[in-house]
Amino acid sequence: QSALSQPASVSGSPGQSITISCTGTSSDVGGYDFVSWYQQHPGEAPRLMIYEVTKRPSGVSNRFSGSKSGNTASLTISGLQTEDEAVYYCGSKRNTNPFRVFGGGTKLTVL
Amino acid sequence: EVQLVESGGGLVQPGGSLRLSCVASGFNFNTYWMSWVRQAPGKGLEWVANIKHDGSATYYVDSVKGRFTISRDNTKNSLYLQLNSLRAEDTAVYYCATEEWNRFDFWGQGDLVTVSS
Repeated sequence: QSALSQPASVSGSPGQSITISCTGTSSDVGGYDFVSWYQQHPGEAPRLMIYEVTKRPSGVSNRFSGSKSGNTASLTISGLQTEDEAVYYCGSKRNTNPFRVFGGGTKLTVL
Repeated sequence: EVQLVESGGGLVQPGGSLRLSCVASGFNFNTYWMSWVRQAPGKGLEWVANIKHDGSATYYVDSVKGRFTISRDNTKNSLYLQLNSLRAEDTAVYYCATEEWNRFDFWGQGDLVTVSS
């Protein structure tokens, strides 16, 4: 059982937009602006896509955006491309052990 | 270019020990917190432990406290994880990662630890 809740899967067609939710509590997602999102392709290491809720690291497409409302954070991917097909994990700081938590991951299928 | 290269994984019997290493290059290692994150086969990510840039503070997930020890040698740009009293549920790919402001910026390629008799 992961600390943060994500849908197991989402899908979309090329060019469409999708949103992945990440629900926690006031001890993690709701209590800090330290929500991050990671993309993981099969057999590869995770890659940071969003940090501090809305910020994009250098080199990440502006098609990726993040937001938060209360205890739920969201990742939106616009203009879906086939290479976006991957598993996406949210992560957050938490004020009790474990001090860093992840969601269970959401598999994005681009149809 | 930031590089993190893990080594030391393999097959170990329950109750056994392993030491994972992670060699860093391409950034100022001694200014970063570092973490170990693991991923059981077919499962999600789990933070295991982290260590302050100067090694003066360490934190662990409860399930590994007293069994795993994180350490670093800034003169060798290296991070370590000593795994003792291993259990089947510790079987996972172990990633080292840089940590800055509660995010994991850069990740190694991962190293598989399999605990089985």
